[in-house]
Amino acid sequence: KNEVEQSPQNLTAQEGEFITINCSYSVGISALHWLQQHPGGGIVSLFMLSSGKKKHGRLIATINIQEKHSSLHITASHPRDSAVYICAVRWLYGGSQGNLIFGKGTKLSVKP
Amino acid sequence: EAGVAQSPRYKIIEKRQSVAFWCNPISGHATLYWYQQILGQGPKLLIQFQNNGVVDDSQLPKDRFSAERLKGVDSTLKIQPAKLEDSAVYLCASSLAPKLGNSPLHFGNGTRLTVT
Repeated sequence: KNEVEQSPQNLTAQEGEFITINCSYSVGISALHWLQQHPGGGIVSLFMLSSGKKKHGRLIATINIQEKHSSLHITASHPRDSAVYICAVRWLYGGSQGNLIFGKGTKLSVKP
Repeated sequence: EAGVAQSPRYKIIEKRQSVAFWCNPISGHATLYWYQQILGQGPKLLIQFQNNGVVDDSQLPKDRFSAERLKGVDSTLKIQPAKLEDSAVYLCASSLAPKLGNSPLHFGNGTRLTVT
């Protein structure tokens, strides 16, 4: 059983729409990462957060530690936002930093 | 700053052949990771280096996979002999030393391996 669950698995949106991708996890964490992966494989780190909310341009990431849930929002979506968005967590107890637990990703396609 | 460099970008080999991947992390990043990402799945950590020492290789299939970071900078990952199930994207990432806290990971573009 994957301990990091993302929803939806696939998402198709029209340009300009507000998009939300959700991530739930099962145990205490020290940090949660949102990553973006474009076709071709490269991964870009979007956010790393352990509480509250972070904003960068049109991207907003929130986390609720009590509910073990995080959301990634994209405002005014654009076709160039089309990518796979991956949630990854680092458990609070044990494990090296590199041993992040990854969700399976949400494939986003934004149509013009 | 220059990002994490990986080569080659693509590699196609037959099963039972050998293959090697190369990674040059961001300058000054003491920690280097190799991940395997099978299609449709999230990345899985294969090995983590701190400078030239191994921190975690618990998920590395040591009968066929090996990795080294001799001078504590760039690293190579080798598969010998390859199996069909090794087809995946191999990602290298680096970060500042973990003792500094939850420092972000920087990923390379990956090497897509196809084993036929």
